[in-house]
Amino acid sequence: EAGVAQSPRYKIIEKRQSVAFWCNPISGHATLYWYQQILGQGPKLLIQFQNNGVVDDSQLPKDRFSAERLKGVDSTLKIQPAKLEDSAVYLCASSPAGQGAYGYTFGSGTRLTVV
Amino acid sequence: AQKITQTQPGMFVQEKEAVTLDCTYDTSDPSYGLFWYKQPSSGEMIFLIYQGSYDQQNATEGRYSLNFQKARKSANLVISASQLGDSAMYFCAMRGNNAGNMLTFGGGTRLMVKP
Repeated sequence: EAGVAQSPRYKIIEKRQSVAFWCNPISGHATLYWYQQILGQGPKLLIQFQNNGVVDDSQLPKDRFSAERLKGVDSTLKIQPAKLEDSAVYLCASSPAGQGAYGYTFGSGTRLTVV
Repeated sequence: AQKITQTQPGMFVQEKEAVTLDCTYDTSDPSYGLFWYKQPSSGEMIFLIYQGSYDQQNATEGRYSLNFQKARKSANLVISASQLGDSAMYFCAMRGNNAGNMLTFGGGTRLMVKP
């Protein structure tokens, strides 16, 4: 079974530029999560999708962050314009609908550096 | 609201010895799950062990065991016979049934195994 795929692996941009991250979950997983992990901290949920609908985006800074999962499969997270404090690892995870224990799988993450 | 606290920013352990990583939690959900993840320097989140709030016995997975004390709201990870490859960040996380299946993470503990 293929894992959760994320790209790019690394990205360096200047502040005020825009950037997009892509995630392809495990086939058949209905739930997709985006987490932000700032260096030295635990991951923090940004947004959760169930199929192509948003379940929770309460911690997403909507003035600059956006995310979509149009066909209920892969997802894109965008930042525009980026700030220095957005430097972090962005982790994507997926799980089957209704489960959250053993079915929860993380991708390798995208490490963003804003200079 | 859910909260996970890991009070040990860093821990040293001698190779082949056991080590306990502390985790306390707070939640109003009557049913919840507790997880431990390992994050090596490469960045991926590796699932280690899971404990359900109604499980009667402490979870074990190979060299990992979870010391679950429900009344004290603690879920400490015990690693027996430490190996050099165990050096990594370790995160405790919680999923509550009223939280849309999302995981809430603690701040992590960096474990360093000395040869």
